Amino acid sequence: GAVVSQHPSRVICKSGTSVKIECRSLDFQATTMFWYRQFPKQSLMLMATSNEGSKATYEQGVEKDKFLINHASLTLSTLTVTSAHPEDSSFYICSARDKEAPLGYTFGSGTRLTVV
Amino acid sequence: GQSLEQPSEVTAVEGAIVQINCTYQTSGFYGLSWYQQHDGGAPTFLSYNALDGLEETGRFSSFLSRSDSYGYLLLQELQMKDSASYFCAVNYGNTPLVFGKGTRLSVIA
Repeated sequence: GAVVSQHPSRVICKSGTSVKIECRSLDFQATTMFWYRQFPKQSLMLMATSNEGSKATYEQGVEKDKFLINHASLTLSTLTVTSAHPEDSSFYICSARDKEAPLGYTFGSGTRLTVV
Repeated sequence: GQSLEQPSEVTAVEGAIVQINCTYQTSGFYGLSWYQQHDGGAPTFLSYNALDGLEETGRFSSFLSRSDSYGYLLLQELQMKDSASYFCAVNYGNTPLVFGKGTRLSVIA
């Protein structure tokens, strides 16, 4: 089946630094990628939708200058958390639209970000 | 906005049956899906209903009633490994999935 590879799985960074998270679609073209954030014991909240070759669409309340999304190719989307702060510590998950997967959505394995 | 309601916690005994309900807003509804998430892991797809009725996949079944804007996930022959969070998610047309707040299932011996 379709696979979305997400890296890194865990990252610890210092406050004020930037962290890049990558999601790659394997064996299929991800024209659309969704980025979610999940705080402990809470639901997945959509942060933004990115389409290959165009600017991402951010959900209300999500700072586009802080969470930079790049979707330059059909198989790679990246989320960069800039000037990270402890409150950005969360679980970040990407999801790609795939025609072959149930409902057309395949999830990455997630990235646990801890900002110290 | 679009919101889904599901119980926050459920506890059940190993070997028993448990039902997790989910209600959703109707406007633009395409289908209801269920995901399982273990602590520290990513959500994994369990089932999807677009039409009324019951869908069975092994020990897990999912039901949908479009007229009632309601669905449920049924887990049978519960095992300890089924302890996890279960999310209902709705597909509203050509939009990303909207997730419920999740139901934390604890299976006890």
